[in-house]
Amino acid sequence: SQKIEQNSEALNIQEGKTATLTCNYTNYSPAYLQWYRQDPGRGPVFLLLIRENEKEKRKERLKVTFDTTLKQSLFHITASQPADSATYLCALGNFNKFYFGSGTKLNVKP
Amino acid sequence: NAGVMQNPRHLVRRRGQEARLRCSPMKGHSHVYWYRQLPEEGLKFMVYLQKENIIDESGMPKERFSAEFPKEGPSILRIQQVVRGDSAAYFCASSPSRDNSPLHFGNGTRLTVT
Repeated sequence: SQKIEQNSEALNIQEGKTATLTCNYTNYSPAYLQWYRQDPGRGPVFLLLIRENEKEKRKERLKVTFDTTLKQSLFHITASQPADSATYLCALGNFNKFYFGSGTKLNVKP
Repeated sequence: NAGVMQNPRHLVRRRGQEARLRCSPMKGHSHVYWYRQLPEEGLKFMVYLQKENIIDESGMPKERFSAEFPKEGPSILRIQQVVRGDSAAYFCASSPSRDNSPLHFGNGTRLTVT
C-alpha cells in the first residue's frame, strides 16, 4: 500500500529564515500533490497544488517542488514569520482519493 | 459564505452507545469526504460520497460504521456500539467536483468514548 512520510520531528527556525519541509512517498504514482496547513483544534486549510507534470509552483512566500523520479516534494516558506507556525500536511491524490502524511510541525521563533 | 460545518464539535459517548456526526458541505459542493485523525497522526481516509451515493468506502471499517449523504440535509457518519478505540477527531471535507479540486475541511468533531 502507499506510504507517505513527513518528518515527524518539529522544525524550529528563526524568523526571517526559509523553512523547508519534505514529503516522500512510495508505492504510489499520484497525479498531483497538495499541501495543507493545520492549526491546533482546526481542520486543514489548503495551500498549494502541484501536478505530476509540473516541477515547481509558487504562491506569495510559498514554493512547492515535485520530483516524481525521487518521489519527493519539498515545501518552502521564505521570510518565515511566527504566524507561519503550524503543522503542514502533504496529500497525494488521483482523482478524488487523497492520502495524507502525518504532518510536520513548524515553529518559527521571533 | 459559510464553510464546511460540522457538529457537534465535541461528543462524549459511553462504550456501546451510538455516535452520529454531521457535516454540511460548502454551498455548491456535492462531494463529501470523511477522515479520521488520531493525535500526532495523519488524516486517514474513510469514505467519499456524492449526493445519495457512496463512491468509495474502502477506508471505513466494515462493521459498526456507516455514512450517508442524502438528497436533502447534511452528510452523516454513524458509529454504532462505540468502543474506546473509536476516540479520535473526525473531519469532513467537501469539494465542488472530482477534478482534483482542493478539499475544504470543517473543524472536526472530537469523539471521546468513555
